[in-house]
Amino acid sequence: AQSVSQHNHHVILSEAASLELGCNYSYGGTVNLFWYVQYPGQHLQLLLKYFSGDPLVKGIKGFEAEFIKSKFSFNLRKPSVQWSDTAEYFCAVIPYTGRRALTFGSGTRLQVQP
Amino acid sequence: DAMVIQNPRYQVTQFGKPVTLSCSQTLNHNVMYWYQQKSSQAPKLLFHYYDKDFNNEADTPDNFQSRRPNTSFCFLDIRSPGLGDTAMYLCATSREKKPGQGEKETQYFGPGTRLLVL
Repeated sequence: AQSVSQHNHHVILSEAASLELGCNYSYGGTVNLFWYVQYPGQHLQLLLKYFSGDPLVKGIKGFEAEFIKSKFSFNLRKPSVQWSDTAEYFCAVIPYTGRRALTFGSGTRLQVQP
Repeated sequence: DAMVIQNPRYQVTQFGKPVTLSCSQTLNHNVMYWYQQKSSQAPKLLFHYYDKDFNNEADTPDNFQSRRPNTSFCFLDIRSPGLGDTAMYLCATSREKKPGQGEKETQYFGPGTRLLVL
């Protein structure tokens, strides 16, 4: 069974700081990869996804993520965070074939201080 | 706007009293999912419908059941809720081309129903 690890449970940054959230997964086959964001009091929203092609994917609000197949990683980055980026971020994977279940990481709570 | 809607947003029930949570979607997606998210944990899939075909996860308790009367609606029934069932319940949808094969599509989530069992 696949699993997803998010290394940082709680990150506190000042505005304009750079962000990198780690995500590693374990699965032997091809996967599709996602980052979801949950703003306070709101539902899970798709931030970005990787299905195939260019391993560097760009999402909404200036976020990007890089898929490194050899490292089983899909780290999320943003060059300069804003107070409005305060949220919980979930990395998720789903196998290309077979079970349709998204496997989520435990989440990273990002707090951006003004 | 096309969306995934869940009702109610908050539900309080008593131990052992059956409860039904509702999900509807205007995306016309053929797959609907129910996830359970306990406090400070990741969402965990309970089951999903591919069209009318029900797919249960192996470790989903028998206490949890689901109905999908049509494409737009899906219900989660908890027959005899226990204290451990207190959680956020998330509905999601996706449009899949083939059952279990090929590239998986993005799942879109509703706002969730926060269930408290007393």
